[in-house]
Amino acid sequence: GQQVMQIPQYQHVQEGEDFTTYCNSSTTLSNIQWYKQRPGGHPVFLIQLVKSGEVKKQKRLTFQFGEAKKNSSLHITATQTTDVGTYFCAGRSPLYGNNRLAFGKGNQVVVIP
Amino acid sequence: NAGVTQTPKFRVLKTGQSMTLLCAQDMNHEYMYWYRQDPGMGLRLIHYSVGEGTTAKGEVPDGYNVSRLKKQNFLLGLESAAPSQTSVYFCASSYEDSETQYFGPGTRLLVL
Repeated sequence: GQQVMQIPQYQHVQEGEDFTTYCNSSTTLSNIQWYKQRPGGHPVFLIQLVKSGEVKKQKRLTFQFGEAKKNSSLHITATQTTDVGTYFCAGRSPLYGNNRLAFGKGNQVVVIP
Repeated sequence: NAGVTQTPKFRVLKTGQSMTLLCAQDMNHEYMYWYRQDPGMGLRLIHYSVGEGTTAKGEVPDGYNVSRLKKQNFLLGLESAAPSQTSVYFCASSYEDSETQYFGPGTRLLVL
């Protein structure tokens, strides 16, 4: 079954508004990574979170790792048309077969001008 | 640095045909991975390699074989293609298993 769940799967966001995408795991993660894939492109690494409760910012993007290290979120403020794409989280856990990175199904974001 | 490259970019196969997808990286990475991406399914790991001469099965290995004869190359083979293998295939590499994965541009495969 799916080891890392992402919600929502799809989002339509008005340009200028904020949105959040969530990533949840049933097991404690050793770390979590976020990737962005533009339409027709390939996944590109955004950030890695390792510590419980960690918060990292990249300009308009804020990434959080939950206190229990079972969930994470990506919050984008003042959405721009360049934010369109699919955002993937990928979690690593010793319980995920040889400690492999398990990708969520992604959150596809459409930006409405 | 070219990073991670994949050939071919696009291929159409008939059921039963075979082909090999080539992935090359020039970053001296130990770890290499093959994923497939299908609509609504995210990225699923097919096979991976933790170093030259090693390979291991991922989440969806059936119908695929791999080889890592040189550190910089990771080949994915389909011996007898099936329509269910129609997908976009991404190769990725990383210096260490816990670090960033760098993805190639992908290969779109259509099996008729």
